[in-house]
Amino acid sequence: NFMLTQPHSVSESPGKTVTISCTRSSGSIASNYVQWYQQRPGSAPTTVIYEDNQRPSGVPDRFSGSIDSSSNSASLTISGLKTEDEADYYCQSYDSSNRGVFGGGTKLTVL
Amino acid sequence: EVQLVESGGGLVQPGRSLRLSCTASGFTFGDYAMSWVRQAPGKGLEWVGFIRSKAYGGTTEYAASVKGRFTISRDDSKSIAYLQMNSLKTEDTAVYYCTRDFDWLLWFDYWGQGTLVTVSS
Repeated sequence: NFMLTQPHSVSESPGKTVTISCTRSSGSIASNYVQWYQQRPGSAPTTVIYEDNQRPSGVPDRFSGSIDSSSNSASLTISGLKTEDEADYYCQSYDSSNRGVFGGGTKLTVL
Repeated sequence: EVQLVESGGGLVQPGRSLRLSCTASGFTFGDYAMSWVRQAPGKGLEWVGFIRSKAYGGTTEYAASVKGRFTISRDDSKSIAYLQMNSLKTEDTAVYYCTRDFDWLLWFDYWGQGTLVTVSS
């Protein structure tokens, strides 16, 4: 099976834009949709992006997702950073049998 | 409102068994696949396995780390999904989340609050 690799941590100032990458180790990133989840301390994860670039209702349009076949990676971009965006973010995809794969998670610090 | 409530967690000795339940409400349970995802203390998320809806055969898939030890089942008449965990190891210690899923897309759109399983002697 493949792996999804994320940076361990990123930090940025309020109002700025941050991008978190998620690189697939083998097979095409475009083969299976990528989802992104936000997890605040002590809480269950919630979806911020599904199907590569779709936002669930209620997720602000400051959150966007994309994939890049040239780097075989997906990205989550958060613009206009707010302190409430500080959380762990996980990318997730699956293989041809729908077996799930999570990235290791990225801790976002907004300072 | 979609709700998923896990139960059955607790302290168990290595080698023993435990069964978790996930009681669903607010949607037509039988129309959806259901997954289990776990998170060891201070660690990231790990997909455990899922069960397809009856329309897609009700079949299951598992992560390599639990295959042969864990079994997922469902009772659509009660809107409950189960995770039977046998031959538990200390490394199975985690919060176990139940999630709603889709047969054609592994997207965990709703999550329960999780139940803690501690495997220790």
